[in-house]
Amino acid sequence: ETGVTQSPTHLIKTRGQQVTLRCSSQSGHNTVSWYQQALGQGPQFIFQYYREEENGRGNFPPRFSGLQFPNYSSELNVNALELDDSALYLCASSLGGPATGELFFGEGSRLTVL
Amino acid sequence: AQTVTQSQPEMSVQEAETVTLSCTYDTSESDYYLFWYKQPPSRQMILVIRQEAYKQQNATENRFSVNFQKAAKSFSLKISDSQLGDAAMYFCAYRTGTSGTYKYIFGTGTRLKVLA
Repeated sequence: ETGVTQSPTHLIKTRGQQVTLRCSSQSGHNTVSWYQQALGQGPQFIFQYYREEENGRGNFPPRFSGLQFPNYSSELNVNALELDDSALYLCASSLGGPATGELFFGEGSRLTVL
Repeated sequence: AQTVTQSQPEMSVQEAETVTLSCTYDTSESDYYLFWYKQPPSRQMILVIRQEAYKQQNATENRFSVNFQKAAKSFSLKISDSQLGDAAMYFCAYRTGTSGTYKYIFGTGTRLKVLA
C-alpha cells in the first residue's frame, strides 16, 4: 500500500472527447508526476508538479495538462482524445521535493479510447 | 538522451531458485540514480531497490541485490530464494541526479514467472 489513490480505475471514452483523471497523494508529498503506460511498455513521463507548479514535461502535446492542489491531490486532463491515448495512466508522488528518490505509485487509471 | 534497455521480455525461475534480470542504460551524466520497480497484476508499482551511481557498493534489500557496473552501464537485479509472490513485471528505471526535471526513464520491463 503506497498511500496514493487514483480514480477512476477504468473508463471508456470516444475519440475527440475530454477526460480528467484524479490522484490523491499522502500528506506531505509535495511532488507529483504522471506517467503513461501503453500496453506492453514501460511508463513514459508526462509531467511533474512541485508545490502546484509544473516542474518539467515529457514529450507530450499541450492537450495533456495537469493541476496540483494544496491538499496533495492532482489532476491529469487530456483534451481531444485520440486512439493512441489508450493506456494506463499512473500517478506517482514523492516526499520532500523532486530531488528525493523514491516514487510512490497509484494503481493507475485504465483509459480506453474508441 | 538517456535510454534504458531490458533485453529479456520474459524470464522463468523455479521456486527457491535464483534469477537475474538484466538492464543496460546509456547516459553521459556521472550523477544519477537507478531503480528496480515491481509491478504485480494489481498494477501498483513498488520500489524493489535503488542504487546511487556515486556509490561503488552494490545495493541489497533482503533477497534482492544488484550488480552495478558503472563503466559497462549495466544494472542487473538478482532475486535469491524466489517466491511465488515475486511473480510480476520488473522495470529498470533511470533518474538524473542533477538539477532539473527529475523524470524517470523506464525500460520495457521483464515479466518474471515463478514456477512451483
